[in-house]
Amino acid sequence: SQELEQSPQSLIVQEGKNLTINCTSSKTLYGLYWYKQKYGEGLIFLMMLQKGGEEKSHEKITAKLDEKKQQSSLHITASQPSHAGIYLCGADYHAGNMLTFGGGTRLMVKP
Amino acid sequence: GAGVSQSPSNKVTEKGKDVELRCDPISGHTALYWYRQSLGQGLEFLIYFQGNSAPDKSGLPSDRFSAERTGGSVSTLTIQRTQQEDSAVYLCASSPIALAKNIQYFGAGTRLSVL
Repeated sequence: SQELEQSPQSLIVQEGKNLTINCTSSKTLYGLYWYKQKYGEGLIFLMMLQKGGEEKSHEKITAKLDEKKQQSSLHITASQPSHAGIYLCGADYHAGNMLTFGGGTRLMVKP
Repeated sequence: GAGVSQSPSNKVTEKGKDVELRCDPISGHTALYWYRQSLGQGLEFLIYFQGNSAPDKSGLPSDRFSAERTGGSVSTLTIQRTQQEDSAVYLCASSPIALAKNIQYFGAGTRLSVL
């Protein structure tokens, strides 16, 4: 969707390195959702952000939403092969309706 | 299993045939969504059901696509006269009614191949 841009489209990192994935919206978000997808599987919910400036962490993954609620970043610390997959950000513009997804970031972690 | 269940997991069909894809949402979830994931288009919204309200069909790409949700639970997505461009992974998601936290839980999808 042109409303929601993700970067980079793909990323290859060495195990143990940190990385950041960005998600930028052309308009203010009501909520921003991060999902992870492995080949042949559905999307696994990671985190939801709703408040400007909000930051959430789970294990080695941290997601932030900027104050204007138009940009989010997903940061992985000390990446592991288990982090490999496609990361998708989904924007909720209408409070509880469908999500608009970014194009995804394909992450590969080299052991 | 307590997750969203979709069937079949894979479907191969010939151009022009009709197909039905099924989604069993998480028990108690009132909202159900269908999305399509294809190489060129990413993940696109198709249709949304919320309780007894009229469904939001704004994402359906053509009148060959339809969906229904019986008894507020199981949903079926039907594609009539399939075309090769319909080949994609069709994902279903469900969500509890809490609008403030619209966490959608996804099934594994149905991979549709139209020959």
